[in-house]
Amino acid sequence: SYELTQPPSVSVSPGQTASITCSGDKLGEKYVCWYQQKPGQSPVLVIYQDKKRPPGIPERFSGSNSGNTATLTISGTQAMDEADYYCQAWDNSAGVFGTGTKVTVL
Amino acid sequence: EEQLLESGGGLVQPGGSLRLSCAASGFTFSNYVMSWVRQAPGKGLEWVSSITGSGDSAYYADSVKGRFTISRDNSKNTLFLQMNSLRAEDTAVYYCAKDISTGNTAWGQGTLVTVSS
Repeated sequence: SYELTQPPSVSVSPGQTASITCSGDKLGEKYVCWYQQKPGQSPVLVIYQDKKRPPGIPERFSGSNSGNTATLTISGTQAMDEADYYCQAWDNSAGVFGTGTKVTVL
Repeated sequence: EEQLLESGGGLVQPGGSLRLSCAASGFTFSNYVMSWVRQAPGKGLEWVSSITGSGDSAYYADSVKGRFTISRDNSKNTLFLQMNSLRAEDTAVYYCAKDISTGNTAWGQGTLVTVSS
């Protein structure tokens, strides 16, 4: 079955840039979305179709996808961005979530 | 305002069955693919199943294929997940979600299913 691999953790200082990768075979040929999840809360979509932001999502969230890797970038990271992040894609009508990355704002 | 409200979770013994429901409001339910996504305690998100707006097609994760059945009643704006032959590893919070990969997504608050003797 298809797999999406993310680094378990990323640490970033406030105001700096955090980059979270999501790797999968020929991932660049699929649309990728990204979810943010804070403890005890439902996931919130922050990026869809590789690089689009839903209404209400700050401009500091951006995405890209090429080759075998998709990347979520958080520019000017704020303390409120500390959360778990998951990439998601579809493979032959099966949904797949990435392994998840915990972003810590130090 | 779009809302999804899950119900039906609880404690069930291994090998038992449970039926989850998800009541939708605030959007034209029949127009959207609906999905179930679960999250085991302390673990990541796992896609479980999706169903097309008309209900004609359904898709399942390998881990639940043959045990779980997704369905919908568009006249009642309700999504269902029938779970049979439950195992300890099915213990999770189950989320109902609309269109999980588009900008039109919405998620419920989740319902906890615990499989234990």
